[in-house]
Amino acid sequence: AQSVTQPDIHITVSEGASLELRCNYSYGATPYLFWYVQSPGQGLQLLLKYFSGDTLVQGIKGFEAEFKRSQSSFNLRKPSVHWSDAAEYFCAVGAKQAGTALIFGKGTTLSVSS
Amino acid sequence: DAGVIQSPRHEVTEMGQEVTLRCKPISGHNSLFWYRQTMMRGLELLIYFNNNVPIDDSGMPEDRFSAKMPNASFSTLKIQPSEPRDSAVYFCASSPQGATYSNQPQHFGDGTRLSIL
Repeated sequence: AQSVTQPDIHITVSEGASLELRCNYSYGATPYLFWYVQSPGQGLQLLLKYFSGDTLVQGIKGFEAEFKRSQSSFNLRKPSVHWSDAAEYFCAVGAKQAGTALIFGKGTTLSVSS
Repeated sequence: DAGVIQSPRHEVTEMGQEVTLRCKPISGHNSLFWYRQTMMRGLELLIYFNNNVPIDDSGMPEDRFSAKMPNASFSTLKIQPSEPRDSAVYFCASSPQGATYSNQPQHFGDGTRLSIL
């Protein structure tokens, strides 16, 4: 079955500390991977995406993610978290072929403490 | 550039009433997606269109739900009759390339928060 698992429902980090949000996927085809962020009352904004090539991808707002095929993972990282990063983060997987849809994880809520 | 525009932002209505949610995709995008977000089930794809044609509606929960895309700049999601369990945030998203849509980022609207009493 195709699925995305975000094991951590809620994470709290101190401002300035590093962050890693976990994402594992199960997908039958070559995966195209995405991270989205959702601020309260708003829609999802794309942070970064991986299609092919360099397995370490850079995104907006200082985020990066690393694709590890052997571990079926696409973890999101940020070296130093800012209070404005508090939001919900969604990992998603899709395929290149027409007729398929993005599959989203259930999200990880990030809280930032001062 | 205007993003994906959804209306209304909030809707509160009594069960049994018809509810219509509206979406205007980004101009030039030819794929449109309707999602439902709840605490229990997360973000679920309900239906998507390529070039105004419904491609996959397997996520539509039951016959009370219907979606249309009469032209490239407008789509509706209708619930008739509505039930309290339909309460959720409904998102519309669009992307610029239909044939390989999933490798183009989907742009999301701000959602419609629907409450059925």
